[in-house]
Amino acid sequence: DADVTQTPRNRITKTGKRIMLECSQTKGHDRMYWYRQDPGLGLQLIYYSFDVKDINKGEISDGYSVSRQAQAKFSLSLESAIPNQTALYFCATSDDRGGYTFGSGTRLTVV
Amino acid sequence: GQNIDQPTEMTATEGAIVQINCTYQTSGFNGLFWYQQHAGEAPTFLSYNVLDGLEEKGRFSSFLSRSKGYSYLLLKELQMKDSASYLCAVRPYTGGFKTIFGAGTRLFVKA
Repeated sequence: DADVTQTPRNRITKTGKRIMLECSQTKGHDRMYWYRQDPGLGLQLIYYSFDVKDINKGEISDGYSVSRQAQAKFSLSLESAIPNQTALYFCATSDDRGGYTFGSGTRLTVV
Repeated sequence: GQNIDQPTEMTATEGAIVQINCTYQTSGFNGLFWYQQHAGEAPTFLSYNVLDGLEEKGRFSSFLSRSKGYSYLLLKELQMKDSASYLCAVRPYTGGFKTIFGAGTRLFVKA
Protein backbone atom coordinates (compact mmCIF):
# COMPACT_ATOMS: atom_id res chain seq x y z
CA ASP A 1 0.00 0.00 0.00
CA ALA A 2 1.11 3.54 -0.74
CA ASP A 3 2.24 5.71 2.16
CA VAL A 4 -0.15 8.48 1.10
CA THR A 5 -3.35 7.46 -0.69
CA GLN A 6 -5.64 9.85 -2.50
CA THR A 7 -9.09 9.15 -3.86
CA PRO A 8 -10.37 9.56 -6.47
CA ARG A 9 -7.49 9.57 -8.97
CA ASN A 10 -9.56 11.32 -11.61
CA ARG A 11 -12.84 13.20 -11.37
CA ILE A 12 -14.96 15.20 -13.75
CA THR A 13 -17.64 17.33 -12.13
CA LYS A 14 -20.02 20.07 -13.13
CA THR A 15 -19.86 23.72 -12.14
CA GLY A 16 -21.63 24.34 -8.84
CA LYS A 17 -21.31 20.80 -7.53
CA ARG A 18 -19.76 20.00 -4.17
CA ILE A 19 -16.88 17.59 -4.31
CA MET A 20 -14.63 15.99 -1.71
CA LEU A 21 -11.11 14.69 -2.24
CA GLU A 22 -9.88 12.25 0.35
CA CYS A 23 -6.41 11.54 1.66
CA SER A 24 -5.10 8.98 4.09
CA GLN A 25 -1.54 8.24 5.22
CA THR A 26 0.31 5.44 6.94
CA LYS A 27 3.48 7.43 7.69
CA GLY A 28 2.35 8.35 11.20
CA HIS A 29 3.12 12.02 10.50
CA ASP A 30 1.23 14.81 12.22
CA ARG A 31 1.70 17.31 9.39
CA MET A 32 -0.53 17.08 6.34
CA TYR A 33 -1.04 19.39 3.36
CA TRP A 34 -3.18 19.96 0.30
CA TYR A 35 -1.62 21.49 -2.80
CA ARG A 36 -2.84 22.24 -6.27
CA GLN A 37 -0.60 22.27 -9.30
CA ASP A 38 -1.24 24.12 -12.53
CA PRO A 39 1.08 24.00 -15.53
CA GLY A 40 3.93 26.47 -15.12
CA LEU A 41 2.84 27.61 -11.67
CA GLY A 42 4.32 24.96 -9.47
CA LEU A 43 2.74 23.79 -6.24
CA GLN A 44 0.39 26.15 -4.46
CA LEU A 45 -0.58 25.48 -0.86
CA ILE A 46 -4.32 25.33 -0.19
CA TYR A 47 -4.52 24.23 3.46
CA TYR A 48 -2.26 22.57 5.99
CA SER A 49 -2.66 20.89 9.35
CA PHE A 50 0.02 20.24 11.95
CA ASP A 51 -2.15 18.03 14.12
CA VAL A 52 -5.74 16.90 14.43
CA LYS A 53 -6.91 20.11 16.10
CA ASP A 54 -4.90 22.44 13.88
CA ILE A 55 -6.11 23.78 10.50
CA ASN A 56 -4.42 26.63 8.63
CA LYS A 57 -5.12 28.42 5.38
CA GLY A 58 -2.48 28.41 2.71
CA GLU A 59 -1.91 30.74 -0.23
CA ILE A 60 -5.09 29.92 -2.16
CA SER A 61 -7.73 28.73 0.32
CA ASP A 62 -10.71 30.64 -1.12
CA GLY A 63 -13.33 28.24 -2.44
CA TYR A 64 -11.90 25.29 -0.50
CA SER A 65 -12.39 23.79 2.94
CA VAL A 66 -10.74 20.90 4.77
CA SER A 67 -11.41 18.44 7.54
CA ARG A 68 -8.83 16.58 9.60
CA GLN A 69 -10.84 13.59 10.74
CA ALA A 70 -7.90 11.78 12.37
CA GLN A 71 -4.12 11.88 12.33
CA ALA A 72 -4.19 9.73 9.23
CA LYS A 73 -7.01 11.45 7.31
CA PHE A 74 -7.24 14.89 5.75
CA SER A 75 -9.96 15.67 3.23
CA LEU A 76 -10.38 18.64 0.89
CA SER A 77 -13.77 19.94 -0.22
CA LEU A 78 -14.79 22.26 -3.00
CA GLU A 79 -18.09 23.69 -1.84
CA SER A 80 -19.23 24.88 -5.25
CA ALA A 81 -16.81 23.86 -7.97
CA ILE A 82 -15.87 26.33 -10.71
CA PRO A 83 -13.90 25.74 -13.93
CA ASN A 84 -10.75 27.52 -12.72
CA GLN A 85 -10.44 24.89 -10.00
CA THR A 86 -9.54 22.42 -12.72
CA ALA A 87 -6.08 21.26 -11.67
CA LEU A 88 -3.98 18.44 -10.30
CA TYR A 89 -4.38 18.16 -6.52
CA PHE A 90 -1.81 16.60 -4.21
CA CYS A 91 -2.04 15.60 -0.59
CA ALA A 92 1.24 15.32 1.31
CA THR A 93 2.69 14.61 4.72
CA SER A 94 6.01 15.80 6.12
CA ASP A 95 8.49 14.49 8.63
CA ASP A 96 10.26 16.54 11.31
CA ARG A 97 12.92 17.90 8.95
CA GLY A 98 10.29 18.95 6.42
CA GLY A 99 10.72 16.23 3.81
CA TYR A 100 7.46 15.59 1.97
CA THR A 101 5.77 12.40 0.88
CA PHE A 102 3.11 13.07 -1.74
CA GLY A 103 0.06 11.11 -2.75
CA SER A 104 -0.40 10.11 -6.38
CA GLY A 105 -2.62 13.09 -7.06
CA THR A 106 -6.20 13.72 -8.10
CA ARG A 107 -6.83 15.14 -11.54
CA LEU A 108 -9.97 17.25 -11.22
CA THR A 109 -11.83 18.70 -14.17
CA VAL A 110 -14.72 21.11 -13.63
CA VAL A 111 -16.92 21.55 -16.68
CA GLY B 1 8.83 38.14 0.61
CA GLN B 2 9.83 34.57 -0.01
CA ASN B 3 11.03 33.56 -3.44
CA ILE B 4 12.65 30.62 -5.17
CA ASP B 5 14.05 30.91 -8.69
CA GLN B 6 15.06 28.13 -11.03
CA PRO B 7 15.23 27.90 -14.82
CA THR B 8 12.01 26.93 -16.55
CA GLU B 9 13.45 24.40 -18.97
CA MET B 10 16.74 22.70 -19.80
CA THR B 11 17.79 20.23 -22.45
CA ALA B 12 20.70 17.80 -22.20
CA THR B 13 22.01 14.74 -24.00
CA GLU B 14 21.86 11.17 -22.79
CA GLY B 15 25.09 10.25 -20.98
CA ALA B 16 26.01 13.86 -20.25
CA ILE B 17 26.03 15.86 -17.01
CA VAL B 18 23.54 18.62 -16.24
CA GLN B 19 23.41 21.16 -13.44
CA ILE B 20 20.11 22.70 -12.36
CA ASN B 21 20.48 25.87 -10.33
CA CYS B 22 18.21 27.27 -7.63
CA THR B 23 18.42 30.58 -5.82
CA TYR B 24 16.24 31.51 -2.90
CA GLN B 25 15.35 34.46 -0.72
CA THR B 26 13.50 33.39 2.41
CA SER B 27 12.97 34.69 5.91
CA GLY B 28 15.16 32.15 7.65
CA PHE B 29 16.50 28.84 6.49
CA ASN B 30 16.15 25.35 7.83
CA GLY B 31 16.82 23.06 4.91
CA LEU B 32 16.63 22.78 1.14
CA PHE B 33 15.08 19.89 -0.75
CA TRP B 34 15.09 18.67 -4.32
CA TYR B 35 12.22 16.64 -5.73
CA GLN B 36 11.77 14.87 -9.05
CA GLN B 37 8.38 14.91 -10.72
CA HIS B 38 7.49 12.99 -13.88
CA ALA B 39 4.62 14.40 -15.88
CA GLY B 40 1.27 13.74 -14.24
CA GLU B 41 2.85 12.01 -11.26
CA ALA B 42 3.63 12.95 -7.67
CA PRO B 43 6.91 14.64 -6.75
CA THR B 44 9.38 12.26 -5.12
CA PHE B 45 12.16 13.18 -2.72
CA LEU B 46 15.70 13.33 -4.14
CA SER B 47 17.92 15.14 -1.68
CA TYR B 48 18.17 17.29 1.43
CA ASN B 49 20.81 19.90 2.34
CA VAL B 50 20.92 21.85 5.56
CA LEU B 51 24.67 22.55 5.83
CA ASP B 52 26.94 24.04 3.17
CA GLY B 53 28.56 21.61 0.81
CA LEU B 54 27.87 18.72 -1.49
CA GLU B 55 25.64 15.74 -0.80
CA GLU B 56 26.13 12.83 -3.18
CA LYS B 57 23.69 10.02 -3.78
CA GLY B 58 24.49 7.81 -6.73
CA ARG B 59 24.13 9.72 -10.02
CA PHE B 60 22.59 12.70 -8.22
CA SER B 61 24.38 15.30 -6.11
CA SER B 62 23.10 18.46 -4.48
CA PHE B 63 25.11 21.47 -3.37
CA LEU B 64 24.21 24.25 -0.95
CA SER B 65 25.69 27.66 -0.15
CA ARG B 66 23.63 29.30 2.56
CA SER B 67 25.54 32.59 2.41
CA LYS B 68 24.71 32.92 -1.29
CA GLY B 69 21.17 31.55 -1.07
CA TYR B 70 22.13 29.08 -3.78
CA SER B 71 21.83 25.40 -4.52
CA TYR B 72 22.29 23.17 -7.51
CA LEU B 73 21.30 19.65 -8.42
CA LEU B 74 23.84 17.76 -10.51
CA LEU B 75 22.73 14.79 -12.58
CA LYS B 76 25.46 12.58 -14.05
CA GLU B 77 25.31 9.91 -16.76
CA LEU B 78 21.93 11.17 -17.88
CA GLN B 79 19.34 8.62 -18.87
CA MET B 80 16.15 9.12 -20.85
CA LYS B 81 14.14 8.35 -17.72
CA ASP B 82 15.66 11.47 -16.08
CA SER B 83 13.38 13.57 -18.28
CA ALA B 84 11.18 15.17 -15.62
CA SER B 85 10.64 18.35 -13.66
CA TYR B 86 12.96 19.07 -10.76
CA LEU B 87 11.57 21.10 -7.89
CA CYS B 88 13.69 23.10 -5.48
CA ALA B 89 12.04 23.66 -2.09
CA VAL B 90 13.10 25.56 1.02
CA ARG B 91 11.94 25.21 4.59
CA PRO B 92 12.26 28.69 6.13
CA TYR B 93 12.01 27.87 9.84
CA THR B 94 12.15 25.09 12.37
CA GLY B 95 9.00 24.16 14.22
CA GLY B 96 7.04 22.88 11.29
CA PHE B 97 6.73 26.02 9.20
CA LYS B 98 5.52 25.17 5.76
CA THR B 99 7.92 24.53 2.89
CA ILE B 100 8.11 26.85 -0.12
CA PHE B 101 8.37 25.25 -3.56
CA GLY B 102 9.91 26.65 -6.71
CA ALA B 103 7.99 26.32 -9.97
CA GLY B 104 10.32 23.56 -11.15
CA THR B 105 12.78 23.04 -13.99
CA ARG B 106 11.60 20.82 -16.79
CA LEU B 107 14.52 18.72 -18.04
CA PHE B 108 14.44 17.13 -21.47
CA VAL B 109 17.00 14.39 -22.11
CA LYS B 110 17.58 13.70 -25.80
CA ALA B 111 19.30 10.75 -27.43
